[in-house]
Amino acid sequence: NAGVTQTPKFRILKIGQSMTLQCTQDMNHNYMYWYRQDPGMGLKLIYYSVGAGITDKGEVPNGYNVSRSTTEDFPLRLELAAPSQTSVYFCASSYPQSSTGELFFGEGSRLTVL
Amino acid sequence: GENVEQHPSTLSVQEGDSAVIKCTYSDSASNYFPWYKQELGKRPQLIIDIRSNVGEKKDQRIAVTLNKTAKHFSLHITETQPEDSAVYFCAATLYGNNRLAFGKGNQVVVIP
Repeated sequence: NAGVTQTPKFRILKIGQSMTLQCTQDMNHNYMYWYRQDPGMGLKLIYYSVGAGITDKGEVPNGYNVSRSTTEDFPLRLELAAPSQTSVYFCASSYPQSSTGELFFGEGSRLTVL
Repeated sequence: GENVEQHPSTLSVQEGDSAVIKCTYSDSASNYFPWYKQELGKRPQLIIDIRSNVGEKKDQRIAVTLNKTAKHFSLHITETQPEDSAVYFCAATLYGNNRLAFGKGNQVVVIP
């Protein structure tokens, strides 16, 4: 299994541009998450999904959108990029039955907005 | 929402000594408490976890203790080695919810 795969690994955006961070997992996990990590601030949940067709907001959803059309894929969309969205983004998934289990993270996507 | 705090923010220890990181949480209904390790430039990875019906759990050189009354839990690393140098995150579930609240992380530096 490849686990959780994120693309791109690095990206530089100009203010106002849009982009999609891709995330796919091959472990048949129902639960998927998007976090952002800023220096010294830990991991903040942006959006999460408990299954195909179901998404919900986390702590910091403003400026982002997600969709979950399949079990495998959970893309994160940034509309009108702002410097405050400069961060490292991690996608994660977990086992189907419960959220109280191991989170498997992707390698991260480093985004810079100039 | 759930508030998870970690102390200290940075911890330096001599190789071979023990390291202890403490976390406090605010939601008394939280029932699952994992610890993640993140090496520089890498993804976070689960190293140990504990559930609310257990007071202590050990896995080789690492252990976690939970005090539900005081709403805090701690990570203990014994006989520290240079490869233990990393940022460690604690987390707690939001009861009845499908997500974790993470602390801000502790930088542990093991000095050879």
